[in-house]
Amino acid sequence: DGGITQSPKYLFRKEGQNVTLSCEQNLNHDAMYWYRQDPGQGLRLIYYSQIVNDFQKGDIAEGYSVSREKKESFPLTVTSAQKNPTAFYLCASSPSGTGSYEQYFGPGTRLTVT
Amino acid sequence: GEDVEQSLFLSVREGDSSVINCTYTDSSSTYLYWYKQEPGAGLQLLTYIFSNMDMKQDQRLTVLLNKKDKHLSLRIADTQTGDSAIYFCAERLDPSSASKIIFGSGTRLSIRP
Repeated sequence: DGGITQSPKYLFRKEGQNVTLSCEQNLNHDAMYWYRQDPGQGLRLIYYSQIVNDFQKGDIAEGYSVSREKKESFPLTVTSAQKNPTAFYLCASSPSGTGSYEQYFGPGTRLTVT
Repeated sequence: GEDVEQSLFLSVREGDSSVINCTYTDSSSTYLYWYKQEPGAGLQLLTYIFSNMDMKQDQRLTVLLNKKDKHLSLRIADTQTGDSAIYFCAERLDPSSASKIIFGSGTRLSIRP
């Protein structure tokens, strides 16, 4: 079964702690993305990676970090520098070479920081 | 500039057609996408259209693109309760690489009996 998995589905942390969200895909896609979704809003791009060992900042990268050591994995760390970390985080991947580069999404992780 | 706009809510009677509208500002858009999001879930790709097309049909879904007016619509025929969700329109500007796409804020579709 091909797809994108994100774990855990719900995550709770205390303010001041770093937390890492997992994203794995077995679709053999080159590109991967992290988005943040706040209630009643669209998606905002945090980071994206078009190839292993390379990634670019999106529109709201401050307070976040990523790594792309393997094609299948693109973990996101929410650092203590992120002022409002409570949100729904979505990971996506897309194939290259198709032209359409449609993105396929994981089920999301809801992070609550208190 | 890059901007994608959608109305926030749409209410439709079960069995009727739903039409969800979207406008975008950048005339260099190459691909436009429609996604569906059910409560607490990720986004599901419904369909996409290349900018040199003006219509695409896939079962109950029809996408219409008016490039002159920068207007995209998604029509869902015979709307069912399972169609209740938030629908996002999105555009891609860069045709050559898997770079970012711009999402609208989403239209919440509710179905009444």
